[in-house]
Amino acid sequence: ETGVTQTPRHLVMGMTNKKSLKCEQHLGHNAMYWYKQSAKKPLELMFVYSLEERVENNSVPSRFSPECPNSSHLFLHLHTLQPEDSALYLCASSPTLTGGNEKLFFGSGTQLSVL
Amino acid sequence: RKEVEQDPGPFNVPEGATVAFNCTYSNSASQSFFWYRQDCRKEPKLLMSVYSSGNEDGRFTAQLNRASQYISLLIRDSKLSDSATYLCVVGASGGSYIPTFGRGTSLIVHP
Repeated sequence: ETGVTQTPRHLVMGMTNKKSLKCEQHLGHNAMYWYKQSAKKPLELMFVYSLEERVENNSVPSRFSPECPNSSHLFLHLHTLQPEDSALYLCASSPTLTGGNEKLFFGSGTQLSVL
Repeated sequence: RKEVEQDPGPFNVPEGATVAFNCTYSNSASQSFFWYRQDCRKEPKLLMSVYSSGNEDGRFTAQLNRASQYISLLIRDSKLSDSATYLCVVGASGGSYIPTFGRGTSLIVHP
């Protein structure tokens, strides 16, 4: 148990659906991240929040919309996705963004399939 | 040149073998280095941080070579349970730190 909880664990959605992924961390961390991991590909950073402010957006399509209402919760809102968006979506948190202590703690991920 | 590069493998070794992975990074100002382990279809988990003086945790030894800009992970007396993908993570210096992942090196330990 890493202290980072993601729901749902699995999600199947059609291209016209709207769904949301949820992430909650109980570690008192200030930074939260969304990563995408496609089959046989490296982790791709999507979004980074520090103290609820977005600090990084790696050219992610607008069909992915993040929300960070407070430092413990992070959402990823999904709409009109494409089949190539099928992947494992991982949430992570770290104590801060600066200094030398940025160990990442990951949630179990949401395995997303877009039909 | 990619920011963080790893040989994807797979490295296929027998139980009890010693195996080493390298990871090269392009940003000479990088200050933070980590090795993560990821099992199939699971989340990455921190294996160990990498310090300038090198560090050891049981059968695992991590080293940093700043001059050549690479870090290494040595696994001694490999176990079947060591089979996984090993991810190298590098952070930038100063300012805001965004962790950068390598694509991972796959290790298969067989009986």
